[in-house]
Amino acid sequence: GQSLEQPSEVTAVEGAIVQINCTYQTSGFYGLSWYQQHDGGAPTFLSYNGLDGLEETGRFSSFLSRSDSYGYLLLQELQMKDSASYFCAVRVSWGKLQFGAGTQVVVTP
Amino acid sequence: GAGVSQSPSNKVTEKGKDVELRCDPISGHTALYWYRQSLGQGLEFLIYFQGNSAPDKSGLPSDRFSAERTGGSVSTLTIQRTQQEDSAVYLCASSLPGGQGHTQYFGPGTRLTVL
Repeated sequence: GQSLEQPSEVTAVEGAIVQINCTYQTSGFYGLSWYQQHDGGAPTFLSYNGLDGLEETGRFSSFLSRSDSYGYLLLQELQMKDSASYFCAVRVSWGKLQFGAGTQVVVTP
Repeated sequence: GAGVSQSPSNKVTEKGKDVELRCDPISGHTALYWYRQSLGQGLEFLIYFQGNSAPDKSGLPSDRFSAERTGGSVSTLTIQRTQQEDSAVYLCASSLPGGQGHTQYFGPGTRLTVL
């Protein structure tokens, strides 16, 4: 079967660093994306890794190891507005993303 | 420019009724996707349109679900004979074609409640 595993919840204080891991087992793999979703809002694209290594976009970085079927999203200098759900998504075919169940990040003062 | 829009934002219906959900993608985006999100869950892929190619319907949960895309732009997701388990937020997304499909732009969703 196909599966994506990520922690259900992470809590951290403002200014801290949070790492959200994602392990996957899928029939196809074209790359790993990360999306952010605030309560009641639409998912918004954060980052994409098509090849192994680290991608950095401001305070957010994403990493992929295809040999380990593993990736992570790193959130640095946490801010209150980063409280949201974060989803990893594997591009399993040219037009299809398979999403994980999401990690709720709670940022406390 | 304008983002992805969806209508209605909320829909309450009775079990057994048919519903139509509409999606207007970003202009110039030839790829369009429908997802379903149940409370506290991830997004479940339903269907994918790319230009004039045959859609990928592999995620449609039953034959009560169908979708059309007219003129390569607006899309309608139809659910016939709705059931209570169909209650969810239905999200539409669009993207540029081909290799940019990993960057999808989502609409605000339609919250469907089946009584």
